[in-house]
Amino acid sequence: EAQVTQNPRYLITVTGKKLTVTCSQNMNHEYMSWYRQDPGLGLRQIYYSMNVEVTDKGDVPEGYKVSRKEKRNFPLILESPSPNQTSLYFCASRRGGDSSGNTIYFGEGSWLTVV
Amino acid sequence: SQQGEEDPQALSIQEGENATMNCSYKTSINNLQWYRQNSGRGLVHLILIRSNEREKHSGRLRVTLDTSKKSSSLLITASRAADTASYFCATARSGNTGKLIFGQGTTLQVKP
Repeated sequence: EAQVTQNPRYLITVTGKKLTVTCSQNMNHEYMSWYRQDPGLGLRQIYYSMNVEVTDKGDVPEGYKVSRKEKRNFPLILESPSPNQTSLYFCASRRGGDSSGNTIYFGEGSWLTVV
Repeated sequence: SQQGEEDPQALSIQEGENATMNCSYKTSINNLQWYRQNSGRGLVHLILIRSNEREKHSGRLRVTLDTSKKSSSLLITASRAADTASYFCATARSGNTGKLIFGQGTTLQVKP
């Protein structure tokens, strides 16, 4: 079954404690991306990756890091989380790197609360 | 700023009625996609319409695209309680490397 898997699904952490949200896809997709979803702001892209070792900033990259060492994995790293990073995070993947319209597949989301 | 903006923000209808949601965008696009999100869950792709298409159907879904007005509409016919969800449009800009820009969504409630 085609899947994008995120972990953890729910996390409460404290300010400044580094955390990583993992994302893995089993569809051999080149393109992967992280979004955060906040009330009234919709989904905003944090980082994206066109392929292994190719990453770029989205609209709201501050406070986040990513890596793409393998095609299937695209972890999101919060080096020093702050309360304004409390949000619902989604990982997504898609075949190909162009905008021809290949379907984006989303993970189930990771609820992150920073206190 | 958000490329896509949905209208209305919230919609409440009775089961069996049709639901229409609109999306406006600002720049030239390659395609426009509609997604559905059940509360607290991931987004699920519903339908894609390319910039050279005007209308597309998928089951009870009908999407139209008017590039001259930079707008799209999603019509759900004969709605069911299970259609209750948030619906988002997302645009892929022309010449872009693949980034989708999402609107803020329309929350649809279908009352049984």
